[in-house]
Amino acid sequence: QKEVEQDPGPLSVPEGAIVSLNCTYSNSAFQYFMWYRQYSRKGPELLMYTYSSGNKEDGRFTAQVDKSSKYISLFIRDSQPSDSATYLCAMSAAGGTSYGKLTFGQGTILTVHP
Amino acid sequence: KAGVTQTPRYLIKTRGQQVTLSCSPISGHRSVSWYQQTPGQGLQFLFEYFSETQRNKGNFPGRFSGRQFSNSRSEMNVSTLELGDSALYLCASRLAGQGGSGELFFGEGSRLTVL
Repeated sequence: QKEVEQDPGPLSVPEGAIVSLNCTYSNSAFQYFMWYRQYSRKGPELLMYTYSSGNKEDGRFTAQVDKSSKYISLFIRDSQPSDSATYLCAMSAAGGTSYGKLTFGQGTILTVHP
Repeated sequence: KAGVTQTPRYLIKTRGQQVTLSCSPISGHRSVSWYQQTPGQGLQFLFEYFSETQRNKGNFPGRFSGRQFSNSRSEMNVSTLELGDSALYLCASRLAGQGGSGELFFGEGSRLTVL
């Protein structure tokens, strides 16, 4: 079983929809949680970065972390065709063994159609 | 502010050859990490360098190696290439040197094809 599980989709939604992306994880040492967006043939772009449990909002994006359930989510409001990409969750523990090391989910392919 | 720069962007090699990939981190970032991305395995951590020292390493064979220079630029090398090494190799940099990932910023990647 992978440490981080993410539904690969694909997910197709109409423009303006609310999108919900989720990951579950098994390693209770994870304390840093991130969401990346990756367009085709590009590198991952950091969207959201959170530490421990709670919510964080940035424009149309909201990240939620529930450490008790080992579950993280990314919500995209008023989705746009330009949001069409692969969304990757990533997480990391604290401490020396975590230096530079993120554990990624498989990524969810999202298509927003006009 | 310039982002993470990787060269070359694309390259084709044959089995048994070796390859060197280069990464220039964001100015002021001292930590550089390398990742391999394939359709089957996704993004996997290779290693991390800070102040010219490898501090962390993923589960890859010894054919994969790297180094960091005093200006924080980094290179990774893959020797005796195998077909399975075909992948997008991503470099990422971060500001902090302490434990925990910090905010990791990725380059566009070097796409390696092994024939």
